[in-house]
Amino acid sequence: AQSVSQHNHHVILSEAASLELGCNYSYGGTVNLFWYVQYPGQHLQLLLKYFSGDPLVKGIKGFEAEFIKSKFSFNLRKPSVQWSDTAEYFCAVNGYNTDKLIFGTGTRLQVFP
Amino acid sequence: GAVVSQHPSWVICKSGTSVKIECRSLDFQATTMFWYRQFPKQSLMLMATSNEGSKATYEQGVEKDKFLINHASLTLSTLTVTSAHPEDSSFYICSANPRSGRAGETQYFGPGTRLLVL
Repeated sequence: AQSVSQHNHHVILSEAASLELGCNYSYGGTVNLFWYVQYPGQHLQLLLKYFSGDPLVKGIKGFEAEFIKSKFSFNLRKPSVQWSDTAEYFCAVNGYNTDKLIFGTGTRLQVFP
Repeated sequence: GAVVSQHPSWVICKSGTSVKIECRSLDFQATTMFWYRQFPKQSLMLMATSNEGSKATYEQGVEKDKFLINHASLTLSTLTVTSAHPEDSSFYICSANPRSGRAGETQYFGPGTRLLVL
């Protein structure tokens, strides 16, 4: 079955700490991978995406993610978080030739000053 | 950038009434739009795929007669929750895929509509 797992449900960090959010997927065939962010009271925004090529992708606001095909993973990282990074983060996947997105359950990140 | 709007942003209705939610792509044409439902502190669950000019495709477990979807034009899709009940209370989010994009391209999400059924 197609699915996305996010292992960290709630992460609490202090400012300047490093962040890594796990994402593993189960999906047959070639995939596209996404990280979306939902700030409090706002709509989902794309952080970064991987379609092909360099497995290390860089997104907005200093975020990056690495696609490791052998591990079916697409973990999100940021070297130094800020209070403004407090949000809900969703990993998502779809097939190469389909629009249907499958979302993980999300990770709530709280950053304290 | 691509913008998707939803109207209304929130709605409160009595049990048994029908509620229509609009999803518009403001600066691009969307052959395909998607409707999601998000429960508190949970992920987005795809309800249906709305295709311009054809019938929507519903996910397993979603009642097509209860959640009517109409994709009338390349910039507008509507979701009507018919005979709403308290268990239909949720956050409904739409997204749109630009027409010129290949399948699998980035979707752009609307701000969501919060529905409360009393």
